[in-house]
Amino acid sequence: NAGVTQTPKFRILKIGQSMTLQCTQDMNHNYMYWYRQDPGMGLKLIYYSVGAGITDKGEVPNGYNVSRSTTEDFPLRLELAAPSQTSVYFCASSYMGQGRFRYEQYFGPGTRLTVT
Amino acid sequence: TQLLEQSPQFLSIQEGENLTVYCNSSSVFSSLQWYRQEPGEGPVLLVTVVTGGEVKKLKRLTFQFGDARKDSSLHITAAQTGDTGLYLCAGPSSFGAGTTVTVRA
Repeated sequence: NAGVTQTPKFRILKIGQSMTLQCTQDMNHNYMYWYRQDPGMGLKLIYYSVGAGITDKGEVPNGYNVSRSTTEDFPLRLELAAPSQTSVYFCASSYMGQGRFRYEQYFGPGTRLTVT
Repeated sequence: TQLLEQSPQFLSIQEGENLTVYCNSSSVFSSLQWYRQEPGEGPVLLVTVVTGGEVKKLKRLTFQFGDARKDSSLHITAAQTGDTGLYLCAGPSSFGAGTTVTVRA
């Protein structure tokens, strides 16, 4: 199993451009998440999904959009990129069933985005 | 959102020394996870604790969940340079800001 994969690894955008960060998981997890991580700031939740067709906002959703058409894929769309969106973006997934392991998250390697 | 506070924010020690990092909250948690993140990579799950007073060992790492399930600690014995990284605790809906651990050779 590849686990959680993200593309691209690095990207430089100009202000006002748009892009989609791709995320795929092959663990048949029902929950998926997008986080951003700024230096010294920990992980901030952008959006999450509890299953195909269902998404919800996290702590910092402004400037982003998501969709979940399949269990495996959870792309993050940036419209009109701004310098404040310069960050490292992580996708994660978890199986939210029963038992002690239900909150464990598995992360992708991240996408480092710079907006100039 | 359940807030998690981690301390210290930064920790730098010599190889061979011991260290402890803490994760505290005013809320009770049904479970708590610890992750390690190395530079340029995503966080990797280390352990889940669910029972008050639970102690779990992972080689030189010892994790403890407080009796009241509001706090947790991670103790590393005889730290190695490979232990360098950002250590994050997480509850069901939030992550702490992390402790950056640097182990010097």
